[in-house]
Amino acid sequence: GIQVEQSPPDLILQEGANSTLRCNFSDSVNNLQWFHQNPWGQLINLFYIPSGTKQNGRLSATTVATERYSLLYISSSQTTDSGVYFCAVRSRDDKIIFGKGTRLHILP
Amino acid sequence: NAGVTQTPKFRVLKTGQSMTLLCAQDMNHEYMYWYRQDPGMGLRLIHYSVGEGTTAKGEVPDGYNVSRLKKQNFLLGLESAAPSQTSVYFCASSYQVLGKNIQYFGAGTRLSVL
Repeated sequence: GIQVEQSPPDLILQEGANSTLRCNFSDSVNNLQWFHQNPWGQLINLFYIPSGTKQNGRLSATTVATERYSLLYISSSQTTDSGVYFCAVRSRDDKIIFGKGTRLHILP
Repeated sequence: NAGVTQTPKFRVLKTGQSMTLLCAQDMNHEYMYWYRQDPGMGLRLIHYSVGEGTTAKGEVPDGYNVSRLKKQNFLLGLESAAPSQTSVYFCASSYQVLGKNIQYFGAGTRLSVL
């Protein structure tokens, strides 16, 4: 099945710093989403981005489907950005495969 | 609009007991999913459904059964709970339009099996 790898596994930054999170996938996919899981466990949709670039405030994402990777950019980090960031892809048989996530700690 | 609702939020079981987790969505979504989340493992798909009356196996289906008798509900059953099933369980639903499929998650159910 499709393999999804995220890097780095952990990231510690000072408030105000910028960061780039990466998601690699092993096969062509129909669908790619980025999620943020906050410290209370809630999973929040960030982007639906099977290809191209999108921006939402301080966050943006780019997926290069032909090269099988996606990037999530966080600019001017805030402590509320802490949590775990997941990417998830959908295979041709409708299965959803998550990466193991990047745990982000933003220090005040 | 409640979105995706999971019940119960917490449960403690003894080994060998059975239980059913309920997922309800009010968005008229065709697709529904059950995941488990364990430390360091991300979310792993247990079972999913692409429509009322259909179910399919995900990555880790063993020890679980599901049913989708009504479009808005997706039930996850544990017939004989084991300590290895201690986890946080998430339900999600999604719609698909022109190939676009976006998932919406419930708040999770924390299950401990002693």
